[in-house]
Amino acid sequence: AQSVTQLGSHVSVSEGALVLLRCNYSSSVPPYLFWYVQYPNQGLQLLLKYTTGATLVKGINGFEAEFKKSETSFHLTKPSAHMSDAAEYFCAVTKGGFASGTYKYIFGTGTRLKVLA
Amino acid sequence: DGGITQSPKYLFRKEGQNVTLSCEQNLNHDAMYWYRQDPGQGLRLIYYSQIVNDFQKGDIAEGYSVSREKKESFPLTVTSAQKNPTAFYLCASSTPTGGAVYGYTFGSGTRLTVV
Repeated sequence: AQSVTQLGSHVSVSEGALVLLRCNYSSSVPPYLFWYVQYPNQGLQLLLKYTTGATLVKGINGFEAEFKKSETSFHLTKPSAHMSDAAEYFCAVTKGGFASGTYKYIFGTGTRLKVLA
Repeated sequence: DGGITQSPKYLFRKEGQNVTLSCEQNLNHDAMYWYRQDPGQGLRLIYYSQIVNDFQKGDIAEGYSVSREKKESFPLTVTSAQKNPTAFYLCASSTPTGGAVYGYTFGSGTRLTVV
């Protein structure tokens, strides 16, 4: 069965420092992996996704993530944190597929990023 | 612009009362989903629908009901049988396979509080 683990429910970084948010997954089939961002009292917005092809994927707002099959990881990074990056971040993996007619997500429990001035 | 509209943004429910959360999309998406979000628990799937007049239970369907009479609309009713309904509720949509390729589009959520 698929599952997603996000290490660290809260992460604090200084403005300008590297952002690293960790996501590990378990999946019996090649996964589709996603990172979403949620600002307070808002819905989720897609940051980036890995489906097939290049394992280093770039998303919006300067974020990127690398799919490492050997480590079953999909960590999210950004070289330099900005105050506007403060939000909650969710990693997700799909389950289901063509056979079931739709793709549903399994979400991690989220990591709240705090950016210190 | 296309998107998903959830209403109301805040909703208060008395004990024993049923309430309905609205979700409307103009993206021409076939698939729609309802998630419940609680602090520290991520998002959990309540119900989903792949096509009009059809829907399936998700992981935590007890105490909830839905309908899908129109492609654009997927309302969620929180019934009195749901003993702990206070949460943030998110509606999402996608094309049937687009959830895997393009991701979901989410509404801005409804915060339900029991008073």
